[in-house]
Amino acid sequence: SQTIHQWPATLVQPVGSPLSLECTVEGTSNPNLYWYRQAAGRGLQLLFYSVGIGQISSEVPQNLSASRPQDRQFILSSKKLLLSDSGFYLCAWSDKGTGGADTQYFGPGTRLTVL
Amino acid sequence: AQSVTQPDIHITVSEGASLELRCNYSYGATPYLFWYVQSPGQGLQLLLKYFSGDTLVQGIKGFEAEFKRSQSSFNLRKPSVHWSDAAEYFCAVGAQNTDKLIFGTGTRLQVFP
Repeated sequence: SQTIHQWPATLVQPVGSPLSLECTVEGTSNPNLYWYRQAAGRGLQLLFYSVGIGQISSEVPQNLSASRPQDRQFILSSKKLLLSDSGFYLCAWSDKGTGGADTQYFGPGTRLTVL
Repeated sequence: AQSVTQPDIHITVSEGASLELRCNYSYGATPYLFWYVQSPGQGLQLLLKYFSGDTLVQGIKGFEAEFKRSQSSFNLRKPSVHWSDAAEYFCAVGAQNTDKLIFGTGTRLQVFP
């Protein structure tokens, strides 16, 4: 069966510090991978998605970047964190849909607090 | 453009009462529809999904949802709510020729004993 891991689970960082969040998927190959952010009391905002190694699509201009160095690894980064980067970060994966969006499966999330 | 509306931000019900969470979507063709549940501090768990076929879909934890094309709705229902159902519920829509889902803003369910 497939599993998805995220780490760290929680992170407290000062403003201006770098960031690296990691997401890995097991039990599948060539998945689509997604990064979402959930601000307090809000819905999900899609940040990045990837359909393959080195292929990253950015959904919103921001202080963050993403990379996919391996098939089942997705990394969210920042060079300098802002207060507004605080939130709950969720990674998700899906199979390649046969002509349409397939079910997305979510990781446990990372709670980021920027002080 | 596709969109999803969950009109109810917060719903409170008594344990044992029936539940209906509303979801309306905007999309020209037949969409792919999903309901997810999120407990505090956790990721999202898939409750059920509709791609085609029978418009009444059964999911996990005793939930069901009905796709009504004429109303552009995909409401989630449960006949008898348990205290453990307290969580946030998200409706999402996908479409053909896309790898992305569009999520609603969520409905927070509170259950009183």
